[in-house]
Amino acid sequence: DIQMTQSPSSLSASVGDRVTISCRASQSITKYLNWYQHKPGKAPRLLICAASNLQGGVPSRFSGSGSGTYFTLTISSLQPEDFATYYCLQTYSTLWTFGQGTKVEIK
Amino acid sequence: EVQLVESGGGLVQPGGSLRLSCGASKFTSSNYWMHWVRQAPGKGLVWVSRINRDGTFTTYADFVKGRFTISRDNAKNTLYLQMNSLRAEDTAVYYCVTERSVTTAGTDVLDSWGQGTLVTVSS
Repeated sequence: DIQMTQSPSSLSASVGDRVTISCRASQSITKYLNWYQHKPGKAPRLLICAASNLQGGVPSRFSGSGSGTYFTLTISSLQPEDFATYYCLQTYSTLWTFGQGTKVEIK
Repeated sequence: EVQLVESGGGLVQPGGSLRLSCGASKFTSSNYWMHWVRQAPGKGLVWVSRINRDGTFTTYADFVKGRFTISRDNAKNTLYLQMNSLRAEDTAVYYCVTERSVTTAGTDVLDSWGQGTLVTVSS
């Protein structure tokens, strides 16, 4: 199985901060990496697919980059509604795997 | 709007079995690959299993392989997860999720999620 290692597992940040979350794959997954935002009691929301493709309706302050084994999700200016848990998901192999999640909390 | 409703969760003893169902409405589920994803209390999302449109191809995470079986009945617009030899670590909310192809990006994504059903494995 492909293992996905996200870091950090949690972070505290203030509104307006630039936040970067990383996700590392145990082997190359080329571009097959998606990012999700999850808030308690709600369905996870797809933010970015194929490493860098922003989904419709997702604010442009979210961006993704990377390929191969290393990927990042960046929030350029953190907003109050962005406090949530973020997950990466690899879809390269027939067995998909999530990262363990990064909880973004208010400082 | 796609609607997915899971059912069948509950309390079961270690070693026991449970079958989860996921009913789809307002769309034809046979048009979609489907997944099960779980989330243990206080933990992260974990991918469990995937099935193709006609049920002829399935994949499983290693930790459920040989114990869980994903299946579907397209005539009933329903997805299933048969869970045998349950362990305490299988305790989680189980979500059924549709897969969608993003052709412009050449990839597939998890798209619509049900509200989940809680499975508790405990004596």
